[in-house]
Amino acid sequence: EAQVTQNPRYLITVTGKKLTVTCSQNMNHEYMSWYRQDPGLGLRQIYYSMNVEVTDKGDVPEGYKVSRKEKRNFPLILESPSPNQTSLYFCASTSPGSGYEQYFGPGTRLTVT
Amino acid sequence: QKEVEQNSGPLSVPEGAIASLNCTYSDRGSQSFFWYRQYSGKSPELIMSIYSNGDKEDGRFTAQLNKASQYVSLLIRDSQPSDSATYLCAVNGPGGSYIPTFGRGTSLIVHP
Repeated sequence: EAQVTQNPRYLITVTGKKLTVTCSQNMNHEYMSWYRQDPGLGLRQIYYSMNVEVTDKGDVPEGYKVSRKEKRNFPLILESPSPNQTSLYFCASTSPGSGYEQYFGPGTRLTVT
Repeated sequence: QKEVEQNSGPLSVPEGAIASLNCTYSDRGSQSFFWYRQYSGKSPELIMSIYSNGDKEDGRFTAQLNKASQYVSLLIRDSQPSDSATYLCAVNGPGGSYIPTFGRGTSLIVHP
């Protein structure tokens, strides 16, 4: 089954404690993205990757890091989380062959206290 | 800065009616247009994609694109309570850009 998986699905953590949210896709898509979604603000892109070892900033990259060492994986790293990073996070992948339709993971709800 | 504008709603329609959702975009070179449905707390799922001017129908859903007016819409016929969700408009830029710009979404409520 074609899918994008994210882990963990829910996470409560404290300010400053480094965390990683994993994202994996099994569709051999070249492009992967991370979004955060907050009430009233819609989906905002954090980082994206066009292929292995190629990443770039989206609209709200501050406080986040990413890496793309393998085509299928695109982890999101928060090295020192803060309460303003409390949000719902989505990973997505796409490719020209899919008509650029975004395939979304199930989401990770992060709370930073 | 590319912009995609949607009325946040909520748009309330009775069961069985036609729901009309609208979206405007700023980048005249945009080439790919998408409508996603998102239930509360869930991930967006693709409803329709449209790439050329005119109408595209899929079951109860019709997407309409007018590039001259920079306008894309989604019609939902015979609306059902299960259609109650937020509908996101997404627009890809020119040159086959895979990076979409999302609107903030329109909340649709279908009441029995």
